Amino acid sequence: DAGVIQSPRHEVTEMGQEVTLRCKPISGHNSLFWYRQTMMRGLELLIYFNNNVPIDDSGMPEDRFSAKMPNASFSTLKIQPSEPRDSAVYFCASSKPLAGGPSHQAFGPGTRLTVT
Amino acid sequence: ELKVEQNPLFLSMQEGKNYTIYCNYSTTSDRLYWYRQDPGKSLESLFVLLSNGAVKQEGRLMASLDTKARLSTLHITAAVHDLSATYFCAVDQAGTALIFGKGTTLSVSS
Repeated sequence: DAGVIQSPRHEVTEMGQEVTLRCKPISGHNSLFWYRQTMMRGLELLIYFNNNVPIDDSGMPEDRFSAKMPNASFSTLKIQPSEPRDSAVYFCASSKPLAGGPSHQAFGPGTRLTVT
Repeated sequence: ELKVEQNPLFLSMQEGKNYTIYCNYSTTSDRLYWYRQDPGKSLESLFVLLSNGAVKQEGRLMASLDTKARLSTLHITAAVHDLSATYFCAVDQAGTALIFGKGTTLSVSS
């Protein structure tokens, strides 16, 4: 099992540029989550999908952020235009449900985004 | 709104000592998760606690859950340097997404 795969692992971009982060969940996992981690705010849930459908995007900070999951094996998180305050580590996680709720989420290695 | 609070946020321990990390949450939930994160790394699942009174142990770490008190504890026995990391608890929100605490950064020194 390859685990959750994220790319790129590091991204440095200039303010105003578009950034696309990619995630491949573990095969057979039907829930996918995007998190952002910063020193100031900790680990924040941005959005999650069940069976490729967005369920809760209330954590998406602004309209500059968008996420898609076109199929069960791929998701993207896009920031357009990017700003320095978007600098963070972005994690993707996936899970499959236990009876009555989610199993533990398996996290990807993260993408460290720096916006200058 | 579900809130998850951990304490302490920072913990400096001597090798060989015991200590407990506390995780309180604000709404009813029967499932609680503990994760470990090493510096610059991703989160690694440690324990899933699925019912009141659940206790799980792995090596020097033992986690327990009291759903009536809305409290989970992570007990560290005879700490060793390799346990230095940040530990997160998380509670599922309405059986779906997880809400994480701010984490407890543990530093074990000789």
